[in-house]
Amino acid sequence: GAGVSQSPSNKVTEKGKDVELRCDPISGHTALYWYRQSLGQGLEFLIYFQGNSAPDKSGLPSDRFSAERTGGSVSTLTIQRTQQEDSAVYLCASSPSGLWPGELFFGEGSRLTVL
Amino acid sequence: AQSVAQPEDQVNVAEGNPLTVKCTYSVSGNPYLFWYVQYPNRGLQFLLKYITGDNLVKGSYGFEAEFNKSQTSFHLKKPSALVSDSALYFCAVRDRGDSNYQLIWGAGTKLIIKP
Repeated sequence: GAGVSQSPSNKVTEKGKDVELRCDPISGHTALYWYRQSLGQGLEFLIYFQGNSAPDKSGLPSDRFSAERTGGSVSTLTIQRTQQEDSAVYLCASSPSGLWPGELFFGEGSRLTVL
Repeated sequence: AQSVAQPEDQVNVAEGNPLTVKCTYSVSGNPYLFWYVQYPNRGLQFLLKYITGDNLVKGSYGFEAEFNKSQTSFHLKKPSALVSDSALYFCAVRDRGDSNYQLIWGAGTKLIIKP
Protein backbone atom coordinates (compact mmCIF):
# COMPACT_ATOMS: atom_id res chain seq x y z
CA GLY A 1 0.00 0.00 0.00
CA ALA A 2 0.92 3.65 -0.12
CA GLY A 3 1.66 3.90 3.57
CA VAL A 4 1.80 1.91 6.77
CA SER A 5 -1.68 0.84 7.77
CA GLN A 6 -2.70 -0.06 11.32
CA SER A 7 -5.93 -1.49 12.63
CA PRO A 8 -7.97 -1.00 14.64
CA SER A 9 -7.40 2.70 15.07
CA ASN A 10 -9.14 2.54 18.43
CA LYS A 11 -9.80 -0.40 20.70
CA VAL A 12 -11.55 -0.39 24.06
CA THR A 13 -11.41 -3.62 25.99
CA GLU A 14 -12.02 -4.95 29.45
CA LYS A 15 -9.23 -5.93 31.77
CA GLY A 16 -8.30 -9.56 31.26
CA LYS A 17 -9.34 -9.78 27.61
CA ASP A 18 -6.92 -10.50 24.78
CA VAL A 19 -6.38 -8.00 21.95
CA GLU A 20 -4.75 -8.18 18.55
CA LEU A 21 -3.32 -5.18 16.78
CA ARG A 22 -2.45 -5.35 13.11
CA CYS A 23 0.19 -3.60 11.03
CA ASP A 24 0.43 -3.67 7.26
CA PRO A 25 3.77 -2.15 6.23
CA ILE A 26 4.70 -0.45 3.01
CA SER A 27 4.99 -3.02 0.26
CA GLY A 28 8.54 -4.32 -0.09
CA HIS A 29 9.70 -3.08 3.31
CA THR A 30 11.50 -5.89 5.07
CA ALA A 31 12.06 -4.16 8.42
CA LEU A 32 9.15 -3.62 10.79
CA TYR A 33 9.09 -2.07 14.24
CA TRP A 34 6.52 -1.87 17.02
CA TYR A 35 6.60 0.94 19.55
CA ARG A 36 4.39 1.88 22.46
CA GLN A 37 3.58 5.48 23.39
CA SER A 38 1.83 6.38 26.59
CA LEU A 39 -0.24 9.55 26.60
CA GLY A 40 1.87 12.41 25.26
CA GLN A 41 5.08 10.60 26.12
CA GLY A 42 8.05 9.24 24.25
CA LEU A 43 8.42 6.07 22.24
CA GLU A 44 9.06 2.74 23.92
CA PHE A 45 10.60 0.14 21.60
CA LEU A 46 8.83 -3.21 21.68
CA ILE A 47 10.09 -5.45 18.88
CA TYR A 48 11.90 -5.43 15.54
CA PHE A 49 11.32 -7.77 12.60
CA GLN A 50 13.62 -8.37 9.68
CA GLY A 51 11.51 -10.37 7.28
CA ASN A 52 9.58 -12.91 9.32
CA SER A 53 12.13 -13.24 12.08
CA ALA A 54 12.38 -11.08 15.18
CA PRO A 55 16.06 -10.66 16.08
CA ASP A 56 15.19 -8.19 18.81
CA LYS A 57 12.29 -8.80 21.17
CA SER A 58 14.00 -7.04 24.03
CA GLY A 59 11.37 -4.38 24.44
CA LEU A 60 8.36 -6.64 25.03
CA PRO A 61 7.34 -5.71 28.58
CA SER A 62 6.08 -9.12 29.70
CA ASP A 63 5.22 -12.59 28.44
CA ARG A 64 1.67 -11.36 27.89
CA PHE A 65 2.98 -9.58 24.82
CA SER A 66 3.82 -11.43 21.61
CA ALA A 67 4.16 -10.54 17.96
CA GLU A 68 4.45 -12.35 14.71
CA ARG A 69 4.97 -11.50 11.10
CA THR A 70 3.91 -13.67 8.22
CA GLY A 71 4.90 -13.62 4.57
CA GLY A 72 7.36 -10.85 5.31
CA SER A 73 4.46 -8.45 5.38
CA VAL A 74 1.63 -8.12 7.89
CA SER A 75 2.48 -8.18 11.58
CA THR A 76 0.20 -8.81 14.54
CA LEU A 77 0.90 -7.68 18.09
CA THR A 78 -1.05 -9.70 20.63
CA ILE A 79 -1.59 -8.70 24.23
CA GLN A 80 -3.05 -11.41 26.44
CA ARG A 81 -4.94 -10.80 29.66
CA THR A 82 -4.80 -7.03 29.20
CA GLN A 83 -4.12 -4.80 32.17
CA GLN A 84 -4.93 -1.12 32.64
CA GLU A 85 -1.25 -0.23 32.33
CA ASP A 86 -1.35 -1.59 28.77
CA SER A 87 -3.44 1.42 27.77
CA ALA A 88 -1.37 3.34 25.23
CA VAL A 89 -0.97 4.05 21.55
CA TYR A 90 0.79 1.26 19.70
CA LEU A 91 2.76 2.51 16.72
CA CYS A 92 4.08 0.45 13.85
CA ALA A 93 6.84 1.58 11.49
CA SER A 94 8.57 0.05 8.50
CA SER A 95 11.65 0.67 6.40
CA PRO A 96 13.18 -0.90 3.29
CA SER A 97 15.65 -2.86 5.43
CA GLY A 98 17.16 -2.90 8.87
CA LEU A 99 20.30 -1.21 7.55
CA TRP A 100 18.37 1.49 5.71
CA PRO A 101 20.09 4.74 6.67
CA GLY A 102 16.99 6.84 6.22
CA GLU A 103 13.80 7.41 8.07
CA LEU A 104 11.20 5.01 9.39
CA PHE A 105 7.70 5.26 8.00
CA PHE A 106 5.02 5.26 10.68
CA GLY A 107 1.38 4.28 10.73
CA GLU A 108 -1.26 6.33 12.51
CA GLY A 109 -1.24 4.02 15.52
CA SER A 110 -3.74 1.89 17.40
CA ARG A 111 -5.08 3.48 20.57
CA LEU A 112 -5.77 0.83 23.20
CA THR A 113 -7.88 1.59 26.25
CA VAL A 114 -8.20 -1.08 28.92
CA LEU A 115 -11.08 -0.50 31.32
CA ALA B 1 25.86 3.95 25.57
CA GLN B 2 23.87 5.59 22.84
CA SER B 3 21.46 8.30 23.87
CA VAL B 4 19.50 11.31 22.74
CA ALA B 5 18.66 14.26 24.95
CA GLN B 6 15.94 16.80 24.35
CA PRO B 7 16.56 19.04 27.34
CA GLU B 8 13.29 20.97 27.14
CA ASP B 9 9.97 19.28 27.83
CA GLN B 10 8.17 22.28 26.40
CA VAL B 11 9.08 25.30 24.29
CA ASN B 12 6.81 28.33 24.03
CA VAL B 13 7.21 30.76 21.12
CA ALA B 14 5.14 33.65 19.86
CA GLU B 15 3.84 33.34 16.32
CA GLY B 16 6.22 34.94 13.84
CA ASN B 17 9.26 34.54 16.08
CA PRO B 18 12.09 32.12 15.32
CA LEU B 19 11.98 28.79 17.09
CA THR B 20 14.62 26.31 18.20
CA VAL B 21 14.06 22.82 19.58
CA LYS B 22 17.24 21.37 21.02
CA CYS B 23 18.70 17.91 20.57
CA THR B 24 22.04 16.46 21.59
CA TYR B 25 23.17 12.91 21.06
CA SER B 26 25.76 10.36 22.04
CA VAL B 27 26.80 7.49 19.77
CA SER B 28 29.99 5.49 19.52
CA GLY B 29 30.42 6.09 15.80
CA ASN B 30 29.08 8.59 13.32
CA PRO B 31 25.38 9.33 13.44
CA TYR B 32 22.39 9.41 11.23
CA LEU B 33 20.05 12.03 12.72
CA PHE B 34 16.33 12.57 12.34
CA TRP B 35 13.51 14.85 13.39
CA TYR B 36 9.89 13.78 13.50
CA VAL B 37 6.73 15.69 14.36
CA GLN B 38 3.58 14.30 15.96
CA TYR B 39 0.30 16.18 15.81
CA PRO B 40 -2.41 15.27 18.34
CA ASN B 41 -3.84 11.79 17.85
CA ARG B 42 -1.63 11.15 14.85
CA GLY B 43 1.38 9.00 14.04
CA LEU B 44 4.88 10.36 13.62
CA GLN B 45 5.68 12.32 10.49
CA PHE B 46 9.22 12.58 9.19
CA LEU B 47 10.56 16.15 9.00
CA LEU B 48 14.21 15.93 8.01
CA LYS B 49 17.39 13.90 8.31
CA TYR B 50 21.14 14.22 8.29
CA ILE B 51 22.90 11.36 6.58
CA THR B 52 26.03 12.93 5.13
CA GLY B 53 27.16 16.06 3.33
CA ASP B 54 26.05 19.58 4.13
CA ASN B 55 25.64 20.14 7.85
CA LEU B 56 22.58 22.32 7.30
CA VAL B 57 19.60 20.21 6.40
CA LYS B 58 16.32 21.59 5.13
CA GLY B 59 13.09 19.70 5.56
CA SER B 60 9.34 19.87 5.44
CA TYR B 61 7.20 22.86 6.48
CA GLY B 62 10.14 25.29 6.43
CA PHE B 63 12.10 23.51 9.16
CA GLU B 64 15.84 23.10 9.12
CA ALA B 65 18.46 21.59 11.39
CA GLU B 66 22.20 21.93 11.69
CA PHE B 67 24.47 19.00 12.44
CA ASN B 68 27.25 20.12 14.77
CA LYS B 69 29.73 17.32 15.28
CA SER B 70 31.87 19.07 17.87
CA GLN B 71 28.86 19.85 20.04
CA THR B 72 27.07 16.58 19.16
CA SER B 73 23.94 18.56 18.48
CA PHE B 74 21.20 18.60 15.89
CA HIS B 75 18.89 21.47 16.84
CA LEU B 76 15.69 22.02 14.91
CA LYS B 77 14.97 25.55 13.76
CA LYS B 78 12.46 27.62 11.87
CA PRO B 79 12.81 31.33 11.11
CA SER B 80 9.17 32.25 11.68
CA ALA B 81 6.83 30.09 13.75
CA LEU B 82 3.23 29.35 12.85
CA VAL B 83 0.45 28.39 15.24
CA SER B 84 0.08 25.22 13.17
CA ASP B 85 3.63 24.22 14.15
CA SER B 86 2.33 23.44 17.64
CA ALA B 87 2.99 19.73 18.13
CA LEU B 88 5.28 17.18 19.77
CA TYR B 89 8.76 16.93 18.24
CA PHE B 90 11.09 13.97 18.48
CA CYS B 91 14.78 13.75 17.72
CA ALA B 92 16.30 10.34 16.91
CA VAL B 93 19.76 9.00 16.14
CA ARG B 94 21.09 5.85 14.56
CA ASP B 95 24.74 4.76 14.80
CA ARG B 96 26.29 4.08 11.40
CA GLY B 97 27.88 0.96 12.81
CA ASP B 98 27.34 -2.42 11.28
CA SER B 99 24.03 -4.19 11.75
CA ASN B 100 22.64 -1.28 13.63
CA TYR B 101 18.95 -1.12 12.85
CA GLN B 102 17.93 0.56 16.06
CA LEU B 103 16.86 4.19 16.30
CA ILE B 104 17.44 5.85 19.66
CA TRP B 105 14.71 8.36 20.48
CA GLY B 106 14.61 11.49 22.54
CA ALA B 107 11.78 11.98 25.02
CA GLY B 108 10.11 14.61 22.88
CA THR B 109 9.58 18.36 23.16
CA LYS B 110 6.16 19.93 23.14
CA LEU B 111 6.21 23.06 21.01
CA ILE B 112 3.51 25.63 21.68
CA ILE B 113 3.15 28.56 19.33
CA LYS B 114 1.01 31.36 20.71
CA PRO B 115 -0.87 33.76 18.44
